[in-house]
Amino acid sequence: GDSVTQMEGPVTLSEEAFLTINCTYTATGYPSLFWYVQYPGEGLQLLLKATKADDKGSNKGFEATYRKETTSFHLEKGSVQVSDSAVYFCALSTGGGSNYKLTFGKGTLLTVNP
Amino acid sequence: ETGVTQTPRHLVMGMTNKKSLKCEQHLGHNAMYWYKQSAKKPLELMFVYNFKEQTENNSVPSRFSPECPNSSHLFLHLHTLQPEDSALYLCASSQRPGGQFYNEQFFGPGTRLTVL
Repeated sequence: GDSVTQMEGPVTLSEEAFLTINCTYTATGYPSLFWYVQYPGEGLQLLLKATKADDKGSNKGFEATYRKETTSFHLEKGSVQVSDSAVYFCALSTGGGSNYKLTFGKGTLLTVNP
Repeated sequence: ETGVTQTPRHLVMGMTNKKSLKCEQHLGHNAMYWYKQSAKKPLELMFVYNFKEQTENNSVPSRFSPECPNSSHLFLHLHTLQPEDSALYLCASSQRPGGQFYNEQFFGPGTRLTVL
């Protein structure tokens, strides 16, 4: 079945540091890939997405590129801020039909210190 | 109210109690979802409703009983739960799922459930 593996946390960085959170996947067919973010006390929010190979999703300074050859979708940001502290989830969907599913990774807690 | 709301935000119940979680979406969506979020585990999809019809039951125990009276409201009725059911229960909604393109799921803040 489909699965998502993302790096174990927690990740602790200083403000303005470079961020990478690794994500790899296994899926049948051609999945769409997503990063969701969960701020403390809130639900998940879609951060960015990519729907086909070599697409780059970007939002709020975060980027991730859909790499079919390495089945990866790593999240990067050049300069993190304290407000980026949250849990980040990588997810995939193969879509289609009436039963639509998102398969999530376990999440990576990011803490950014001033 | 905007987006997806969930009530209550926190719930503590005994194993013999009966309680219900409520979710309401104000986005005009047609599909609603229940997820379970446990510590150290990936989000687990529990149920999917598409135009008020249940289209997915992901092998969820019968002590969890969903109800979707209309496209804007979703309930999760709980009875005789176990301590291992303690988790954050998230509701989400989207446009009608399926087809070639992904429909973004919008999540509520969740209900933190503790079963004693």
